[in-house]
Amino acid sequence: GESVGLHLPTLSVQEGDNSIINCAYSNSASDYFIWYKQESGKGPQFIIDIRSNMDKRQGQRVTVLLNKTVKHLSLQIAATQPGDSAVYFCADRYGGATNKLIFGTGTLLAVQP
Amino acid sequence: KAGVTQTPRYLIKTRGQQVTLSCSPISGHRSVSWYQQTPGQGLQFLFEYFSETQRNKGNFPGRFSGRQFSNSRSEMNVSTLELGDSALYLCASSFSGRTQAEQFFGPGTRLTVL
Repeated sequence: GESVGLHLPTLSVQEGDNSIINCAYSNSASDYFIWYKQESGKGPQFIIDIRSNMDKRQGQRVTVLLNKTVKHLSLQIAATQPGDSAVYFCADRYGGATNKLIFGTGTLLAVQP
Repeated sequence: KAGVTQTPRYLIKTRGQQVTLSCSPISGHRSVSWYQQTPGQGLQFLFEYFSETQRNKGNFPGRFSGRQFSNSRSEMNVSTLELGDSALYLCASSFSGRTQAEQFFGPGTRLTVL
């Protein structure tokens, strides 16, 4: 079915530590995945994406890993900063002529000083 | 370049009324999608418009409708409002109709139904 879920609703980390946010998806035909960050009072902000023909993609301080065998996605944030505190969503986009996104439930990342 | 703008930012309505929300995409973007965000259901896809045509629709009742104009601006309408329609309504725009094209979200319209 159409579902993209998150393992942990809340993640608390110390400033400077690395953070790992996990996500599971159910549709084996999913071919494109996106991570969004949403701060209070704002709309989701694009962080990084990955296509299904890749296992890993790196951005600035962020890395996304994709394991298609177990349908699992993770977002790694290096040297977490207070400004990283937000809700993080993974989203899955189906193929075909559509921009429809299926979002996970979200993980609240709380960075402790 | 200006981002996605949504108006109004906040709305308070009573049950039974109707409401129209507006979204102006990033200049040059032709695809506009709408999402409803609630604490209980999270982010749920409402519909998508591309070149004035509805290309996809989520699982919402017919009280939810939308349209897109020739300048790509989009509106969504909710008729006969219910308490459960209270939510943050988000609009996202994308340059093209292809999948795997980055979508940019607006700040949302916070709708409260009393």
